[in-house]
Amino acid sequence: KAGVTQTPRYLIKTRGQQVTLSCSPISGHRSVSWYQQTPGQGLQFLFEYFSETQRNKGNFPGRFSGRQFSNSRSEMNVSTLELGDSALYLCASSLDGAPDTGYTFGSGTRLTVV
Amino acid sequence: QKEVEQNSGPLSVPEGAIASLNCTYSDRVSQSFFWYRQYSGKSPELIMSIYSNGDKEDGRFTAQLNKASQYVSLLIRDSQPSDSATYLCAVNPGNFNKFYFGSGTKLNVKP
Repeated sequence: KAGVTQTPRYLIKTRGQQVTLSCSPISGHRSVSWYQQTPGQGLQFLFEYFSETQRNKGNFPGRFSGRQFSNSRSEMNVSTLELGDSALYLCASSLDGAPDTGYTFGSGTRLTVV
Repeated sequence: QKEVEQNSGPLSVPEGAIASLNCTYSDRVSQSFFWYRQYSGKSPELIMSIYSNGDKEDGRFTAQLNKASQYVSLLIRDSQPSDSATYLCAVNPGNFNKFYFGSGTKLNVKP
């Protein structure tokens, strides 16, 4: 059974650029959540998508956006990159929105903004 | 006040000892609680979940929940060097798949 696949694994971008990260959840999982992990702030919730609809959103600026496709694959976009956006971005998939099953995380995308 | 608080550690225990990891949370209506393990450079992996007051055991791991005290803990018996990792406590406040994570406790198990 394939796990959660995130691409690319590593990215280096320049301030002001934009970036798109991709996540393919476990087959059959319809919920995809995105988290930002930094040494100082830990894991912070960005947003959750379920059946192509954003159902939950964290406290991040509008530069962070996402979407989900009909096959449950999700993309996350960050526009006008800032140095502080350097982080590990983790995608997590779970079954149909149930809060009692926990997540399966992908390997993450390490974004470095220079 | 953060939603989930953990001591960042590091917590050092000798091989074979019991490691005790603690977590407190602020939202009284929280319903489900999880422990994740994260090795350096890797993504978090789910170890255990707990929803009811009391203890839940799975192999060498025991999760303990006290909702009145808003306290969750993870005990690791017979600690092994391979248990050395950062342990993250996660709390679901009942709002679908939106979890609050603690900053993690780094555990070092010394051979």
